[in-house]
Amino acid sequence: DAMVIQNPRYQVTQFGKPVTLSCSQTLNHNVMYWYQQKSSQAPKLLFHYYDKDFNNEADTPDNFQSRRPNTSFCFLDIRSPGLGDAAMYLCATSRNRVQPQHFGDGTRLSIL
Amino acid sequence: GNSVTQMEGPVTLSEEAFLTINCTYTATGYPSLFWYVQYPGEGLQLLLKATKADDKGSNKGFEATYRKETTSFHLEKGSVQVSDSAVYFCGGGGSNYKLTFGKGTLLTVNP
Repeated sequence: DAMVIQNPRYQVTQFGKPVTLSCSQTLNHNVMYWYQQKSSQAPKLLFHYYDKDFNNEADTPDNFQSRRPNTSFCFLDIRSPGLGDAAMYLCATSRNRVQPQHFGDGTRLSIL
Repeated sequence: GNSVTQMEGPVTLSEEAFLTINCTYTATGYPSLFWYVQYPGEGLQLLLKATKADDKGSNKGFEATYRKETTSFHLEKGSVQVSDSAVYFCGGGGSNYKLTFGKGTLLTVNP
């Protein structure tokens, strides 16, 4: 009965090779978030969608983009991954901006 | 801007010991406060929440009370188990979209 599903759980890509991470939700929540979490650190918000409205954080690198084709799905695209982009990427959803966020189990991205 | 400061740890306890993880926040207004738990290799799970002063959140034996006078939301559990070993994040969220997290506290409970 997983409610926020991230695929794949582990992703390996090559330096500079575009990669897409996927998130889907069965909660019908309006807001979907993408976070980057590096080892022993708190999650760092990259961007979020409120319905179709995209909101980028000021310090998110241009290399990171996102798409939300419908309510259920959201994708994180990394155009040219560098070694510093190796991290856990977490997707989260919430009903609105003040409700608790529900997280998926994350995708661990490795860069060769 | 908002900020959350929590005890960084690591914290190591024996089974059945009492747990406290301190968390204080600085915010404009009165944010909702949360504790999230992250088990190894997994995402964050909401453990408990409080939305206004004097609210007490509780779940799975964990409790935290929203103290406006001390701007605190300390996490407590009377008797920890090995299965409670995880990283605990305190977080605050206001009327905007952002969750401000503390740096996380690694808890290890030994049998």
